[in-house]
Amino acid sequence: AQKVTQAQTEISVVEKEDVTLDCVYETRDTTYYLFWYKQPPSGELVFLIRRNSFDEQNEISGRYSWNFQKSTSSFNFTITASQVVDSAVYFCALSGFTGTASKLTFGTGTRLQVTL
Amino acid sequence: EAQVTQNPRYLITVTGKKLTVTCSQNMNHEYMSWYRQDPGLGLRQIYYSMNVEVTDKGDVPEGYKVSRKEKRNFPLILESPSPNQTSLYFCASSLLAPDRPLYYGYTFGSGTRLTVV
Repeated sequence: AQKVTQAQTEISVVEKEDVTLDCVYETRDTTYYLFWYKQPPSGELVFLIRRNSFDEQNEISGRYSWNFQKSTSSFNFTITASQVVDSAVYFCALSGFTGTASKLTFGTGTRLQVTL
Repeated sequence: EAQVTQNPRYLITVTGKKLTVTCSQNMNHEYMSWYRQDPGLGLRQIYYSMNVEVTDKGDVPEGYKVSRKEKRNFPLILESPSPNQTSLYFCASSLLAPDRPLYYGYTFGSGTRLTVV
């Protein structure tokens, strides 16, 4: 069975602080994909990144960076110099096979509040 | 514009009154799915469909029905809604990659906030 754990329910930071959102996953698949989605206050779900299980290179996109460590089954997300617009709920998700079907399994989300 | 369209965005209904939430995608995706989002529980899969006329239960299917008569449409039916089905619902679609899990992730609709009183 697949499982994604986001232990941080809510994080509050002051603007310009760096913040890391943790994601730990469980899977028996050898091929799988990891995702991060952002849900701003407006409610829609926005794709941020996909990582495959064979590529452990860290990725940076502007103020966002992702650290994938297969040894600890973690896929953490760091926002550098946070801004108020980063306030949202962030979901980590895992794509793998369950039986013959595929699905995305989501964590419970981390609510990030960035204040001035 | 490539998108998943859900309707309605907001719905308040009474217990027991049948309702349908529509979902349509214009990307020719084989895979479609419904999720519900509840505080502290994240997103949980209700039903999914790998292609036309192929549907299967997700993790929380009780009280819901779906159909996939056309590739683009995947309506969610609540035959007799109850207050515990009050939730935020998302329709999602994806291309299927041969012999791989959902490589492309999901394209989500904008969500339907359902309140059952």
